[in-house]
Amino acid sequence: GQNIDQPTEMTATEGAIVQINCTYQTSGFNGLFWYQQHAGEAPTFLSYNVLDGLEEKGRFSSFLSRSKGYSYLLLKELQMKDSASYLCAVRSGPTGANNLFFGTGTRLTVIP
Amino acid sequence: DGGITQSPKYLFRKEGQNVTLSCEQNLNHDAMYWYRQDPGQGLRLIYYSQIVNDFQKGDIAEGYSVSREKKESFPLTVTSAQKNPTAFYLCASSINYQETQYFGPGTRLLVL
Repeated sequence: GQNIDQPTEMTATEGAIVQINCTYQTSGFNGLFWYQQHAGEAPTFLSYNVLDGLEEKGRFSSFLSRSKGYSYLLLKELQMKDSASYLCAVRSGPTGANNLFFGTGTRLTVIP
Repeated sequence: DGGITQSPKYLFRKEGQNVTLSCEQNLNHDAMYWYRQDPGQGLRLIYYSQIVNDFQKGDIAEGYSVSREKKESFPLTVTSAQKNPTAFYLCASSINYQETQYFGPGTRLLVL
């Protein structure tokens, strides 16, 4: 089966940096995605990692270590609009499969 | 504007009634997906379709049915056999079955 863990809630200050961790146990790992979801809205794609290392995209970066079953999403220069849930999703299964298994999400609150 | 549309945004039904949720995309994507989201749980895959006229069960297909007669459309029927249908339903699509999934705005279904 798939097991994906991320913290339920986090709070950070506007302008600061926050790191949201995700650990996973899965068979047939084939990539890890991060999505942002504002309350009552659809998830929007943030990043994708399939190889070890850091992927940077503006204020957002995502890191993957396949040997440790670990990823994190790093948000810099936090803004109030970054208050949202952040979903970690692991793609696993036979080569070519695109079935995503989601964690429960981390609700981030940015305070002034 | 290209995108994924789901209608309606909110849907109320009486217990025992079947209801069909609409999902349309004009992105020319081959693959489409249906998920449900419940409080405190990650998104769970109901059904997916890699290509028109083909679809496969996901992790929680019982009580649901789908069709994929047109590339642009992937409607989901929630039948009376679904024990706990109240949830937020999200449709997604991807260029093909290996690529990143993008989500529609969702339909919140409330069964009374």
